[in-house]
Amino acid sequence: AQSVAQPEDQVNVAEGNPLTVKCTYSVSGNPYLFWYVQYPNRGLQFLLKYITGDNLVKGSYGFEAEFNKSQTSFHLKKPSALVSDSALYFCAVRGRAAADSWGKLQFGAGTQVVVTP
Amino acid sequence: DAGVTQSPTHLIKTRGQQVTLRCSPKSGHDTVSWYQQALGQGPQFIFQYYEEEERQRGNFPDRFSGHQFPNYSSELNVNALLLGDSALYLCASSSSSGGIYEQYFGPGTRLTVT
Repeated sequence: AQSVAQPEDQVNVAEGNPLTVKCTYSVSGNPYLFWYVQYPNRGLQFLLKYITGDNLVKGSYGFEAEFNKSQTSFHLKKPSALVSDSALYFCAVRGRAAADSWGKLQFGAGTQVVVTP
Repeated sequence: DAGVTQSPTHLIKTRGQQVTLRCSPKSGHDTVSWYQQALGQGPQFIFQYYEEEERQRGNFPDRFSGHQFPNYSSELNVNALLLGDSALYLCASSSSSGGIYEQYFGPGTRLTVT
């Protein structure tokens, strides 16, 4: 069974400081990994994905994430946070097994990011 | 280019009633997935439809059923509503030709069961 853990319910950071949102996963074999962001009363917005290749993935709005196979982690990062980055962030995993090939995503519980001016 | 649309935006139902939620996928997408997001939790996969058939299903009871139409739009039906069914229901669409890597989500339908 696949699972995702986001160990922090909330991350607080001052505007202009680096932002990190942590994610660890458990899945058989190599995973597909995703980050989504959710603003209040909105659906999920895709930020970035890891499929294969370079462990450092760059995504939308200046976000990036690093895939670490040995630590089974996929932490989301942004060098300089903005107040507008305040939102709920979800990490998601999808396995590569045949049963997972149709794209079912397993989400973490989410991390609330609060960026203060 | 319209993204994923869902209707209605909000819905209030009474225990025991039935509800139908609707989703139109992003243009060019042929696969629709439904997720339930309870308050304070991450989305949970309900099922996925492709070529008008349920292709994959999560751990949800048979009270949850769906349908996909020839134009790829989809419906989610929930029978015998329980208080615990109160949640944000998200529809996501993707393209089978794209490896189904990226799923695009709609704004959701907020269902309240009283």
